[in-house]
Amino acid sequence: DIQMTQSPSSLSASVGDRVTITCRASQSISSYLNWYHQKPGKAPKLLIYAASSLQNGVPSRFSGSGSGTDFTLTISSLQPEDFATYYCQQNYNTPLTFGGGTKVEI
Amino acid sequence: QVTLRESGPALVRPTQSLTLTCTVSGFSLTTSGICVTWVRQSPGKALEWLAFIDWDDEKYHSTSLKTRLTISKDTSKNQVVLTMTNMDPVDTATYYCARIMAMGGMDVWGQGTTVTVSS
Repeated sequence: DIQMTQSPSSLSASVGDRVTITCRASQSISSYLNWYHQKPGKAPKLLIYAASSLQNGVPSRFSGSGSGTDFTLTISSLQPEDFATYYCQQNYNTPLTFGGGTKVEI
Repeated sequence: QVTLRESGPALVRPTQSLTLTCTVSGFSLTTSGICVTWVRQSPGKALEWLAFIDWDDEKYHSTSLKTRLTISKDTSKNQVVLTMTNMDPVDTATYYCARIMAMGGMDVWGQGTTVTVSS
């Protein structure tokens, strides 16, 4: 199974900050990497697919980069609604696997 | 409008089997590239992928839960069914179904259904 490791596991930030979350795969997954965020009590929401493609309706302050084993999610200017937990997920092969999550707190 | 809705029991006894149903609308389960997946989340924990079934009825399962999981679909009812046998309290979680398009991300999710395993 491909292991996905996110860092940091949590971070504190302020509105307007630039935030970067990293995700590392235990083997190369090309660009088969997706990013989600999840608010308490809610289902996850897809933000980025194929490492860098913005899902329809997602604000442009979200961006993704990387390929192979190292990936980054960047929020260019953190907004109040962005405080959530962020997950990466690989779909290079099965079993599909998620990272452990990064909680973005005020 | 694309929607998915999970249904099933809220409480299951240890050793019993759990059957969850995902009823979809706004898309067809047989359209090329369409998959429906199940993901769960134990309280305070990360997301855990369980299984998915594709448009061609191919099925894929979590390595660690493979012997306990069965996924199937009923295209006439627009439903995907997940069965998990030999339930244990550690299986207490919120279970989500979601759509996957052309092996991209999980782009539409159900609201989730919470299952508690307890005697």
